[in-house]
Amino acid sequence: EAQVTQNPRYLITVTGKKLTVTCSQNMNHEYMSWYRQDPGLGLRQIYYSMNVEVTDKGDVPEGYKVSRKEKRNFPLILESPSPNQTSLYFCASSLGHTQYFGPGTRLTVL
Amino acid sequence: GQNIDQPTEMTATEGAIVQINCTYQTSGFNGLFWYQQHAGEAPTFLSYNVLDGLEEKGRFSSFLSRSKGYSYLLLKELQMKDSASYLCAVRGMTTDSWGKFQFGAGTQVVVTP
Repeated sequence: EAQVTQNPRYLITVTGKKLTVTCSQNMNHEYMSWYRQDPGLGLRQIYYSMNVEVTDKGDVPEGYKVSRKEKRNFPLILESPSPNQTSLYFCASSLGHTQYFGPGTRLTVL
Repeated sequence: GQNIDQPTEMTATEGAIVQINCTYQTSGFNGLFWYQQHAGEAPTFLSYNVLDGLEEKGRFSSFLSRSKGYSYLLLKELQMKDSASYLCAVRGMTTDSWGKFQFGAGTQVVVTP
């Protein structure tokens, strides 16, 4: 089944404790992207990747890192999470103009 | 960048038609997208417009006017399952921003019996 998977789905952590949210797609898509979704603000793009080893900033990259060492994986790294990074995170991949979103990761930073 | 505006909420009756408007700044544009997002779920792709005009796909149609920076999503023969948030998004225009997407805050459509 074609899909985008994210892990973990839910995470509660504390300020400053490094964490990684994984994203994987099995559709051989070149393009992948990370978004955060907050009430009243909609989806905001954090980082995107046009292909392996090619990443670029979205609108809200501060406090986040990404890497794209292989086509299927695009992990999101929070080196030192802060409470303002509490949000719902979505990973997406696409070939052409249709983005396929993962199920989301709900992150709470205390 | 893009400022994308869409209404916060709309209510309509089952079987009716609802039109969700989306306006955006016209600087830097390469495609307008509509996504549907049910509560607690991920967004799913509905439509894509890059040229002016109407694109019809079953009960859903999407319209684009690039000169006016305006799009709408038309939902016909509303069903209860159409109750969801509808997200308008634009993609960057230059080769540097091709992968960049900006979304509106979403329009919550409530379908009543």
